[in-house]
Amino acid sequence: DTGVSQDPRHKITKRGQNVTFRCDPISEHNRLYWYRQTLGQGPEFLTYFQNEAQLEKSRLLSDRFSAERPKGSFSTLEIQRTEQGDSAMYLCASSLVAGEQFFGPGTRLTVL
Amino acid sequence: AQSVSQHNHHVILSEAASLELGCNYSYGGTVNLFWYVQYPGQHLQLLLKYFSGDPLVKGIKGFEAEFIKSKFSFNLRKPSVQWSDTAEYFCAVRILTGGGNKLTFGTGTQLKVEL
Repeated sequence: DTGVSQDPRHKITKRGQNVTFRCDPISEHNRLYWYRQTLGQGPEFLTYFQNEAQLEKSRLLSDRFSAERPKGSFSTLEIQRTEQGDSAMYLCASSLVAGEQFFGPGTRLTVL
Repeated sequence: AQSVSQHNHHVILSEAASLELGCNYSYGGTVNLFWYVQYPGQHLQLLLKYFSGDPLVKGIKGFEAEFIKSKFSFNLRKPSVQWSDTAEYFCAVRILTGGGNKLTFGTGTQLKVEL
């Protein structure tokens, strides 16, 4: 399968714990995006990378959130000190420059 | 800030009925427009896109959409729906000037097609 992959698919954690998600984009895509989707809403932009550079961050991305793409390939999204309001589906997408975005299956986070 | 409105949150149709889902956006500059679909248990997939040129675009599975710049609209249509079209449909906008590369999505329309 040559699509966008995300790991894990589901994560249940207790409030206050840290979690990390991984995204592997389509191999030739140099742009990688993170979105968050809550029930009844469309995906909301969090951040994006071009190669290893993080070019834009949403105001939704509080200082408890950090994203990296160290070698311009896979990316990680870490949430520190999770809160119940962080419960959501976290989506990763990738694209060529100015191309259409291809989405992965998402990581569903539940914070107890 | 730009926004995308999808007027119908839930739509129920019988097979062979015609479909039109509304999408309006609030930005006066140059945009790219997209419709994504999410079938039950699957991830978001691109249905069709508009970058430039002919404002009537055709996508997969018989879907089409028309970009009407004066109305800031990009409505999705299908002349005859099938049970397999049951899914959630999202309209999205990308602003080309100063908007970065992010997509702004509407809240989605849940379509149920009954046999």
